This record gives sequence, structure tokens and C-alpha cells, in this order.
Amino acid sequence: DADVTQTPRNRITKTGKRIMLECSQTKGHDRMYWYRQDPGLGLRLIYYSFDVKDINKGEISDGYSVSRQAQAKFSLSLESAIPNQTALYFCATSPGQARETQYFGPGTRLLVL
Amino acid sequence: AQKITQTQPGMFVQEKEAVTLDCTYDTSDPSYGLFWYKQPSSGEMIFLIYQGSYDQQNATEGRYSLNFQKARKSANLVISASQLGDSAMYFCAMTTSGTYKYIFGTGTRLKVLA
Repeated sequence: DADVTQTPRNRITKTGKRIMLECSQTKGHDRMYWYRQDPGLGLRLIYYSFDVKDINKGEISDGYSVSRQAQAKFSLSLESAIPNQTALYFCATSPGQARETQYFGPGTRLLVL
Repeated sequence: AQKITQTQPGMFVQEKEAVTLDCTYDTSDPSYGLFWYKQPSSGEMIFLIYQGSYDQQNATEGRYSLNFQKARKSANLVISASQLGDSAMYFCAMTTSGTYKYIFGTGTRLKVLA
């Protein structure tokens, strides 16, 4: 089984709808991240969490919220989806060590109509 | 401010040849880490190689090596003996001490020709 899983893998929604993307990990890592990827822009950080009680905004947090339900679960919500939130969303985890390699989930492709 | 720059939007290489993907970085923090990830057409992000700012030797992982030139602030990825399966998007990323947040470049799309 994959160490970092994301659900759903694909989602189509309409403008104004609230949606939640979920991430679970079995790696035992404290640190979890949400990124979005747009063509030509690389990956940009939305939110990150260093433990269950520590949640921080990334560079593009407007329009998004997160919830860290447990060490292993980190959810991203779009309160009122808009078309420019159409993107590929990645969850990632890291162990909190000096080397700090991040391990990515398979991604969620979101289309907002 | 920290920044990663990948100036090659796309590259071609003949199968079995070596290829270098460029990455330059900017940071004032003396302690940082540099990473390369591969993203095939299926979309997942695959970790390839890591280089720490204090590492004395260039990192190597199988066919991947990182040409780390600290004074020039470059961290180029070298893929030796290219294979068709190497065709993908490649991202350079950096973290600095105390932040543990990744900053990504815009990526280079590599196409290996048979």
C-alpha cells in the first residue's frame, strides 16, 4: 500500500461548491503539506502543519482552509470553489529531520467549472 | 528571499546519452538542502536525489548525480545513459534551515529520443 494516499484522485465540481481533499499517511511523519501545481508555475505551498496543533499558511492560502485531524490525516478544503482553483493538488509528508526529504501523494486533479 | 530558477523549459536527449538539467538557487542562509524530483506523465512526484549545503562531495544515486557548485549557486542534475523511461518533468527544490518549506523551480520537461 502507498505510504501517502489522497482522495479523491479526480474531482469535478461547480463554482461555489465546498469540497474537501483528504490526505492520509502511514509513514509516521509529523510534518504534512498541501501544494498546488499549475502548468509553468511548479508547485506552490498552500498550507503546512508541523504537528496536530501547529498549522501554518503557505504562499497561496487564500480561498483554502485545512484541518489536521490526527498525525496521519491532513485535509484541504475549498470553501467556495472558483475556476482558477482548477489544478493538481499534492499532499506531502516529511520526517522533520535535517535532510527533510518530502514524500508526495499521487495527487488530486481538480476541475472547477 | 529564496528562489529556485530552472531556465530550460524543455530538453531533448538521445537514448543512452547523458543530459544535464540546470538549476540555480538563491539564499542567504548558509544551511540549506537541494532536491530533485521527477514527475512522469502519470503525475506523481518521485524523489531522486538530495544535496546538503555542507556536503563535501556531490551526491550520486545510481544514474543520477548532482553537480553542486556552491560558489556559483548551482545544483545541476546529470542523468547518465538516458532511458526512454526518463522522459518526464524534472523539478529542482530547496529548503533552508528552520523553515523546512520547499521552494520549487518551474521545472524542465525532458524527452528521451529512441
